[in-house]
Amino acid sequence: TQLLEQSPQFLSIQEGENLTVYCNSSSVFSSLQWYRQEPGEGPVLLVTVVTGGEVKKLKRLTFQFGDARKDSSLHITAAQPGDTGLYLCAGAFYSGYALNFGKGTSLLVTP
Amino acid sequence: SQTIHQWPATLVQPVGSPLSLECTVEGTSNPNLYWYRQAAGRGLQLLFYSVGIGQISSEVPQNLSASRPQDRQFILSSKKLLLSDSGFYLCAWSHTGGDTEAFFGQGTRLTVV
Repeated sequence: TQLLEQSPQFLSIQEGENLTVYCNSSSVFSSLQWYRQEPGEGPVLLVTVVTGGEVKKLKRLTFQFGDARKDSSLHITAAQPGDTGLYLCAGAFYSGYALNFGKGTSLLVTP
Repeated sequence: SQTIHQWPATLVQPVGSPLSLECTVEGTSNPNLYWYRQAAGRGLQLLFYSVGIGQISSEVPQNLSASRPQDRQFILSSKKLLLSDSGFYLCAWSHTGGDTEAFFGQGTRLTVV
């Protein structure tokens, strides 16, 4: 059972465009994390959001945690080719030992 | 600082051969350890996790097993590989239970031929 649904699955845009990717669930998470993964490498943590409604910014990336802590979004402003990669969201339960990952959004930014 | 080492980076093995992938963590004690498998360019499937030496939890029944002989060592094994075992295997660690961030190794690309 896939607890986290990410959309879109694939996204191809040109440099300078804005984009938003989504991570949705019917489950309530104690925290949610976003990772970026480049081909042939392990995922690297971008951000953790904990509080419902929380917004965090990392340069051109804006992360938001839903008020009910069931969903999250990642918005990238003025995308650059270096933003290309697989973006994964992962949710943690209060009583769980391991993160539950979505299937990811594969982003391609072309010059 | 903490580091995680995973090897080998790539591996080509014939069907029916054994497998041993090793992962070690440095710079922390009593970490939670995880093995994930990732289909090409897609999400991560949790295979095993461990909260302590000798304590292994399996998430998905399969042809693989895991062991934790030391606090910061996690091993993924198989007695006889299947074609369907091919994939990208990732080891990860976290400080405590699932509320905290996971830190990943560089991964092992396994191709069973």
